[in-house]
Amino acid sequence: LAKTTQPISMDSYEGQEVNITCSHNNIATNDYITWYQQFPSQGPRFIIQGYKTKVTNEVASLFIPADRKSSTLSLPRVSLSDTAVYYCLVGPRSAAGNKLTFGGGTRVLVKP
Amino acid sequence: ETGVTQSPTHLIKTRGQQVTLRCSSQSGHNTVSWYQQALGQGPQFIFQYYREEENGRGNFPPRFSGLQFPNYSSELNVNALELDDSALYLCASSFGQESSPLHFGNGTRLTVT
Repeated sequence: LAKTTQPISMDSYEGQEVNITCSHNNIATNDYITWYQQFPSQGPRFIIQGYKTKVTNEVASLFIPADRKSSTLSLPRVSLSDTAVYYCLVGPRSAAGNKLTFGGGTRVLVKP
Repeated sequence: ETGVTQSPTHLIKTRGQQVTLRCSSQSGHNTVSWYQQALGQGPQFIFQYYREEENGRGNFPPRFSGLQFPNYSSELNVNALELDDSALYLCASSFGQESSPLHFGNGTRLTVT
């Protein structure tokens, strides 16, 4: 599975846009990029998934350049409740038998 | 739609004992994956069950074992508990073998003393 690298932590303020970049230089052709959010004492929650270019849903956008060696999760106008750990995962969409493992994640702190 | 539920929420065991953790998958999901999350770290994949059979395993010793039942609920069993087994154990369900996105429960906090 492709190794991912993301910043350990980021600080932001309410109302700002937060962009978290994940590097995955050895991404495979059939790999997808998936982001999860985790609050303390809760399980991770799926945010968004993409393969190339741009994906947008009601909570976030995911930007993937043409070479797919990195991706950026964009959280628009964050609030205090967006304080959490964000994980970037890269692997086949069909993860059967594969070891879909999380890295250390990025701790995002949103300040008032 | 019923989400993933895990029981118990907290558990304290003594080194050398055995423990069983339980997970009810989300309605309509037939695949269950188990993860171990140590404090301050990301979840680590233990194993996955699909149609009642183990379908992939991470780097965990054989004393970590599991079951999936016909109703797709699952159990994680850990024998000969060690202090390092203290962690949050997460269960995630999904449909079919395309296990992304995963739907997680809130975990069982296991403390081994």
